[in-house]
Amino acid sequence: EPEVTQTPSHQVTQMGQEVILRCVPISNHLYFYWYRQILGQKVEFLVSFYNNEISEKSEIFDDQFSVERPDGSNFTLKIRSTKLEDSAMYFCASKLPRGSRNEKLFFGSGTQLSVL
Amino acid sequence: DQQVKQNSPSLSVQEGRISILNCDYTNSMFDYFLWYKKYPAEGPTFLISISSIKDKNEDGRFTVFLNKSAKHLSLHIVPSQPGDSAVYFCAASAQGVASKLTFGTGTRLQVTL
Repeated sequence: EPEVTQTPSHQVTQMGQEVILRCVPISNHLYFYWYRQILGQKVEFLVSFYNNEISEKSEIFDDQFSVERPDGSNFTLKIRSTKLEDSAMYFCASKLPRGSRNEKLFFGSGTQLSVL
Repeated sequence: DQQVKQNSPSLSVQEGRISILNCDYTNSMFDYFLWYKKYPAEGPTFLISISSIKDKNEDGRFTVFLNKSAKHLSLHIVPSQPGDSAVYFCAASAQGVASKLTFGTGTRLQVTL
């Protein structure tokens, strides 16, 4: 089965530093997402991306966050100035359009971000 | 604002018996529901889904039931196997361009020998 791939699997950074989390969604998918899970809590929606623009974003996704699809295959999440509370597992996901036969969301294995 | 709730944080079931995981939602705009399974340090893996036009969907050992009037869905696993031990998340989405998923808090299922 096709996979969403994420790199790196672990990222340790100092508070205030910029980080970029990378994802390669499944090639024929059109919708892209970032979610995160703080340890012991539920999986939370951050942002959705379609047709080269943000479709929706949550309150968590403030001005410190940005997303980009620079080359048609990669999908990145940038945190400009990391805070301690940004420590979480970040999941990239992708899917076909709604109404497609297979509209389930496929998740990558995640990037564990630790902000020290 | 917990739009999707899983009130049981954990469940222990003996191998071979039925596991029933429950989920409640509050947003009447939700019309598509999914169950995901998650192991530690891995991404959620899709298990089974159901559209609001149905009340039951079955796939092998997994069956999802939807009661729209009660805003309740459940996942039945029968027979339960030790490999089913994981955290199970209920998720829901509404119509929309990108139809994001809203997740519940998860239920940790342990299947014992």
